[in-house]
Amino acid sequence: DTGVSQDPRHKITKRGQNVTFRCDPISEHNRLYWYRQTLGQGPEFLTYFQNEAQLEKSRLLSDRFSAERPKGSFSTLEIQRTEQGDSAMYLCASSSPNLGTRGRDTQYFGPGTRLTVL
Amino acid sequence: GESVGLHLPTLSVQEGDNSIINCAYSNSASDYFIWYKQESGKGPQFIIDIRSNMDKRQGQRVTVLLNKTVKHLSLQIAATQPGDSAVYFCAENINTGTASKLTFGTGTRLQVTL
Repeated sequence: DTGVSQDPRHKITKRGQNVTFRCDPISEHNRLYWYRQTLGQGPEFLTYFQNEAQLEKSRLLSDRFSAERPKGSFSTLEIQRTEQGDSAMYLCASSSPNLGTRGRDTQYFGPGTRLTVL
Repeated sequence: GESVGLHLPTLSVQEGDNSIINCAYSNSASDYFIWYKQESGKGPQFIIDIRSNMDKRQGQRVTVLLNKTVKHLSLQIAATQPGDSAVYFCAENINTGTASKLTFGTGTRLQVTL
């Protein structure tokens, strides 16, 4: 499978614990995005990497959230001291404007990590 | 599996009929629009896209129409099949100079009845 993969698919944790999610983008994609989706809503942008550089972060990304993409390939999203309000689906997407048809920077999504904070 | 969009607008169509899903977008500076399909427990799946310099684009069984005057986007699905049942989201791409980030609209649940 050459699509975007995410691990784990599901995570249940207790309030106050730290969690880390991993995203492996499509191999030739240099852009990587994290989104959060709650029930009944569309995904909301969290942050964006071009290669290893984190170029933009949403106001939604509090100080408890940190994302890395150390070698410009896979990325991790860590949430420290989880709260019940962090319960959501965390989606990763990747793209490459150089590969898109006529320059369209199409984002392809992974299956997501469902986080439940008890 | 879990349900995406418990309280979303719902469109019910009979198998074989055509479906039209509408979306209003917010930013007149958006340069690119995408329709995604999301099945329960899965990530959004790309369906079709359109650049802002076009008003219509066709794919296999799907057509996207863009009306920039009223900031409206629609997705037409021909000969709707049971496998088309899902939540559909439109997304607008806003290029901030350092990022191309998507802003998603409120989804629409498509239910295909036999």
